[in-house]
Amino acid sequence: DVKVTQSSRYLVKRTGEKVFLECVQDMDHENMFWYRQDPGLGLRLIYFSYDVKMKEKGDIPEGYSVSREKKERFSLILESASTNQTSMYLCATRDSTGFSYEQYFGPGTRLTVT
Amino acid sequence: QKEVEQDPGPLSVPEGAIVSLNCTYSNSAFQYFMWYRQYSRKGPELLMYTYSSGNKEDGRFTAQVDKSSKYISLFIRDSQPSDSATYLCAISRGGSEKLVFGKGTKLTVNP
Repeated sequence: DVKVTQSSRYLVKRTGEKVFLECVQDMDHENMFWYRQDPGLGLRLIYFSYDVKMKEKGDIPEGYSVSREKKERFSLILESASTNQTSMYLCATRDSTGFSYEQYFGPGTRLTVT
Repeated sequence: QKEVEQDPGPLSVPEGAIVSLNCTYSNSAFQYFMWYRQYSRKGPELLMYTYSSGNKEDGRFTAQVDKSSKYISLFIRDSQPSDSATYLCAISRGGSEKLVFGKGTKLTVNP
């Protein structure tokens, strides 16, 4: 079974703080993704990475950056947290070597910025 | 026009009912179709995966794809309270293309 873990389930931060969200997978998947999920807006892609040290902007990258120094770890960074970044953050992985396109999700981090 | 549309519900049914969840999409290039189930405060988990048109059955769940109508469905037979969750459809063109998600339909099955 694919296992995707996220560093925190719940996080409360203050406006202006730098926030790090960590995602670790144990299945040697090349592709990793960061989404945020908000009521009425669904899942929105922030950034993704096809492989180590590679990153691509998703649909809503503003205010975020990412880091992928090792294959199993993909970090999402909020440079200066703002209240409109309060959300559920979901990490996902995908095995790009076969013909499957499904993504496997972590449990999510519910971030509150006050 | 949005790439994928999904009725957000909410949908409330009695235990044992047949549930039909649906999505429509706009681009005929989509070939891979998935349904995810997301319990409250959890990450989505893959429920069904289909390629191209046709039906796929897994226990009480049936996924149906009609590419001519650009319409995908998930049927749940003999629904159970444990099926209460949000169901998201997801579609892909394949290759290195991203998944496109519907906004999800919240389902409640009442005992």
